[in-house]
Amino acid sequence: DAKTTQPPSMDCAEGRAANLPCNHSTISGNEYVYWYRQIHSQGPQYIIHGLKNNETNEMASLIITEDRKSSTLILPHATLRDTAVYYCIVRVGPKGNTPLVFGKGTRLSVIA
Amino acid sequence: NAGVMQNPRHLVRRRGQEARLRCSPMKGHSHVYWYRQLPEEGLKFMVYLQKENIIDESGMPKERFSAEFPKEGPSILRIQQVVRGDSAAYFCASSPGPSRYEQYFGPGTRLTVT
Repeated sequence: DAKTTQPPSMDCAEGRAANLPCNHSTISGNEYVYWYRQIHSQGPQYIIHGLKNNETNEMASLIITEDRKSSTLILPHATLRDTAVYYCIVRVGPKGNTPLVFGKGTRLSVIA
Repeated sequence: NAGVMQNPRHLVRRRGQEARLRCSPMKGHSHVYWYRQLPEEGLKFMVYLQKENIIDESGMPKERFSAEFPKEGPSILRIQQVVRGDSAAYFCASSPGPSRYEQYFGPGTRLTVT
């Protein structure tokens, strides 16, 4: 699986959009971008995934650049409960069943 | 639809005892993954199972650790003769497959070895 690079930490004001970047310059054509988050010491939570088109669900939006070398996870209206470590993971899928390889992620702090 | 269930949530074992961690995947999910998170470290993959089969155990320590996912019942991660270094949070995840492999995680079992 391709390696990803994320900033170690970010702050965001409550109610504002949180934009979390991820670089994956060595991504292959059949690899998807997945985002998970881990709130405190809970189990990781699946957020969203995409291949090349932008994706949106009830939790977040995923913007993938045209060359697919980077992406941004957007939480449109961050709340205090969004404070967590966010992981950007690249893996073959959704038809691939490879394990997730977690890096260090970005620690997002939402501030009141 | 209930999420992934793990029990016990907390487990304390003395050195040399056995630890059994259970994972019930989401309804309809036939793929189970186990991950371990050591204190202040990231999540590391251990083993991937489908019903009655181990698909990938490349992250599993060679000794003392075993996993199973029987035809009936939960998946079990078994640690024999636990040592202090086994103290960690153990997370189970399940995915629907085929064609959908996003993984949904349980709340974890926190193992403390005294």
